[in-house]
Amino acid sequence: NAGVTQTPKFQVLKTGQSMTLQCAQDMNHEYMSWYRQDPGMGLRLIHYSVGAGITDQGEVPNGYNVSRSTTEDFPLRLLSAAPSQTSVYFCASSRGQGSYGYTFGSGTRLTVV
Amino acid sequence: AQTVTQSQPEMSVQEAETVTLSCTYDTSESNYYLFWYKQPPSRQMILVIRQEAYKQQNATENRFSVNFQKAAKSFSLKISDSQLGDTAMYFCASHTGTASKLTFGTGTRLQVTL
Repeated sequence: NAGVTQTPKFQVLKTGQSMTLQCAQDMNHEYMSWYRQDPGMGLRLIHYSVGAGITDQGEVPNGYNVSRSTTEDFPLRLLSAAPSQTSVYFCASSRGQGSYGYTFGSGTRLTVV
Repeated sequence: AQTVTQSQPEMSVQEAETVTLSCTYDTSESNYYLFWYKQPPSRQMILVIRQEAYKQQNATENRFSVNFQKAAKSFSLKISDSQLGDTAMYFCASHTGTASKLTFGTGTRLQVTL
């Protein structure tokens, strides 16, 4: 009963490097999303998906790409890391479109130097 | 657009006492849901309680209850018999079907002391 699994838990990148944050859920949830958490700003939505093959932008999408080829997986790609992307990233999933509440992964702390 | 406001950045309560965390929200939707999430030092986001806007009855989950005032757009969380394990950041959030997302407040850091 894994729920939402995020990897890695910690990552340090140099400016300009690329990487992919992995997210997988085993609850057959249609809805998945990525948030970033910054001090004093709560959690802000980066991208979300309402089902395989469907993605859309949230409020802070610049610098990030996503794809949803399967129901289970929703990776987040940073194409060219910038110090402004230093943050804690959370993946979340929900049945339906989220009215039942979201299940969150344990988060990834990313530092860009 | 939805907004969620938590005006108390930090609060402190003694063990076994009761504390209330405030939250106000704004939405033009008639069908929406409200949540409180707890984030302990482990960083994990944990759903504490959920309220459906069309239900007048306030939601309760053991020691946690809400005071949902729809006309005032207020959604406060009451924690009774506070325990050391309640020490965490608490986030208020709203969800509407048309937006397909959770909108979070900036959080209230709660410290439970002996």
